[in-house]
Amino acid sequence: DTGVSQNPRHKITKRGQNVTFRCDPISEHNRLYWYRQTLGQGPEFLTYFQNEAQLEKSRLLSDRFSAERPKGSFSTLEIQRTEQGDSAMYLCASSPWTGTGEAFFGQGTRLTVV
Amino acid sequence: GENVEQHPSTLSVQEGDSAVIKCTYSDSASNYFPWYKQELGKGPQLIIDIRSNVGEKKDQRIAVTLNKTAKHFSLHITETQPEDSAVYFCAASRVGSGGSNYKLTFGKGTLLTVNP
Repeated sequence: DTGVSQNPRHKITKRGQNVTFRCDPISEHNRLYWYRQTLGQGPEFLTYFQNEAQLEKSRLLSDRFSAERPKGSFSTLEIQRTEQGDSAMYLCASSPWTGTGEAFFGQGTRLTVV
Repeated sequence: GENVEQHPSTLSVQEGDSAVIKCTYSDSASNYFPWYKQELGKGPQLIIDIRSNVGEKKDQRIAVTLNKTAKHFSLHITETQPEDSAVYFCAASRVGSGGSNYKLTFGKGTLLTVNP
């Protein structure tokens, strides 16, 4: 499978715990994005990497959230001290270096904070 | 920032009929407009896109139109089939400009139901 891969697919955690999600983009894609999607809404932009550099973070990304993309390959999104409001689908997308704009999404990680 | 409005929020059609979903955007600098199909429990799947230098694009049963002056674009699905049932999202982005990060701003989605 050469698509965007996200793990885990589902995560249930207790409020206050830390969670980490992983995204493996399509190989050769240098742009990587994280989005958050709540029920009945479209995905909302969280952050963007070009290679290993994190170039933009949304206001939605509070200081409890951190994302990394070491060596410009896979990326991780960590949420510290989870809150019930963090419950959502976290989507990763990647785009090719050609800069044509197409973004390909993974299946997402569904986070439930109880 | 960019704002994308999408209508209708739900759409029910009979198999074989056509379906039309409309979106408007606010940022005149946006120049890339993709459409995504999302099935339950899955990530969005890119189905078609259009760029600002083109007015219409077709791919088999789906087509997109763009009116830059009015800042709106539409998705047309002809000869609908039950497997077309899903949530459809429009999005807008600015690509190619210096410093642009190509992030997508999405509409709120349209739940399309195709009844057999």
